[in-house]
Amino acid sequence: AQSVTQLGSHVSVSEGALVLLRCNYSSSVPPYLFWYVQYPNQGLQLLLKYTTGATLVKGINGFEAEFKKSETSFHLTKPSAHMSDAAEYFCAVTRGSSNTGKLIFGQGTTLQVKP
Amino acid sequence: GAVVSQHPSWVICKSGTSVKIECRSLDFQATTMFWYRQFPKQSLMLMATSNEGSKATYEQGVEKDKFLINHASLTLSTLTVTSAHPEDSSFYICSARWPGHSNQPQHFGDGTRLSIL
Repeated sequence: AQSVTQLGSHVSVSEGALVLLRCNYSSSVPPYLFWYVQYPNQGLQLLLKYTTGATLVKGINGFEAEFKKSETSFHLTKPSAHMSDAAEYFCAVTRGSSNTGKLIFGQGTTLQVKP
Repeated sequence: GAVVSQHPSWVICKSGTSVKIECRSLDFQATTMFWYRQFPKQSLMLMATSNEGSKATYEQGVEKDKFLINHASLTLSTLTVTSAHPEDSSFYICSARWPGHSNQPQHFGDGTRLSIL
């Protein structure tokens, strides 16, 4: 079975500060990992994904994440937070190359950006 | 631009009414679509996998007769909440996976806010 744990349901940073959102996963097979962002009353927008290859993945809006198999982690970072980054962030996992497309989501992390 | 369109965005109706939500893939054909439910301040819970031309696959605990799914074409899946009651009030989101390799991500609609009075 697969699962995703996002450490910290709420993260608050100052504008311009480093953003770090934590995600740990559990999977018995090589996983595919995703980060999505959700703004109020909207669907989810893909930030980035890891499938195979390079473990440091760059996404949209300056975000990046690093797949660390030894730590079963896929933390999301951004060097400098912007007010527009305030939103809900979800980490998700699927069953890798044999996946049916089903996504298992973490609980979500609310990012607050203070001026 | 959006690759998955969901309609309507908001629905408010009386208890006992059936409500249909549409999910369309734009500019691509989606043999598989997914329906999620999201409660306030919570994560997304997969309800069912919608398969074009065949029956939907429901997750454990989801009532098939309550949440009817139809995937009649390669670009349209519908979710009908039958005889809706206040406890069915929620945010419903659909997604479709870009065709091709299994590493393609899902693209999400903007969701439907359903409020049952």
